[in-house]
Amino acid sequence: DQQVKQNSPSLSVQEGRISILNCDYTNSMFDYFLWYKKYPAEGPTFLISISSIKDKNEDGRFTVFLNKSAKHLSLHIVPSQPGDSAVYFCAASEETSGSRLTFGEGTQLTVNP
Amino acid sequence: EPEVTQTPSHQVTQMGQEVILRCVPISNHLYFYWYRQILGQKVEFLVSFYNNEISEKSEIFDDQFSVERPDGSNFTLKIRSTKLEDSAMYFCASSVGGWNYGYTFGSGTRLTVV
Repeated sequence: DQQVKQNSPSLSVQEGRISILNCDYTNSMFDYFLWYKKYPAEGPTFLISISSIKDKNEDGRFTVFLNKSAKHLSLHIVPSQPGDSAVYFCAASEETSGSRLTFGEGTQLTVNP
Repeated sequence: EPEVTQTPSHQVTQMGQEVILRCVPISNHLYFYWYRQILGQKVEFLVSFYNNEISEKSEIFDDQFSVERPDGSNFTLKIRSTKLEDSAMYFCASSVGGWNYGYTFGSGTRLTVV
């Protein structure tokens, strides 16, 4: 099942710089996209989402960009902080309420002080 | 902040035994889910539950699996006869329903089948 793919298993950035995490999808029926952050021994924590009718959504240091024609989305974190070090999952859904999420493999972000 | 609570945090069971994983979703949430993550693999959807019935299930969720909401607060996943390949982290999640609020996940139960 490769419907949602995160090609970079890891990313390392310096504190204060921008982190860019990428995600590609193949299912054109996906309408909603979400980013989750996961620390070891914890469940995924919702970060930010975007609907396919938008191309950008911003929440504080986090911005998600969606390029629907390229079936690509990205999460920008700026400025990056050491506490942002975690695994970041991209997820997609076909519907609104109650629909399953299809996850990517995750990208391990390390922010170095 | 409201949490989804899962118990136990770690369960070891012998192959062929039945296990029940327990979850207490957030009280005003309407949709309940189980996901799992086998070590080194993606988080995978198992089942969603709404209005006291299964609303969607994946191909993984075969006859060995069942879910129940026995009272107003608990949501359980039962695996009838565990196999080695059922070893995984099992996550319960709940949502109000709106996609833009995301789901709230619990911390997971690590199931080890020996």
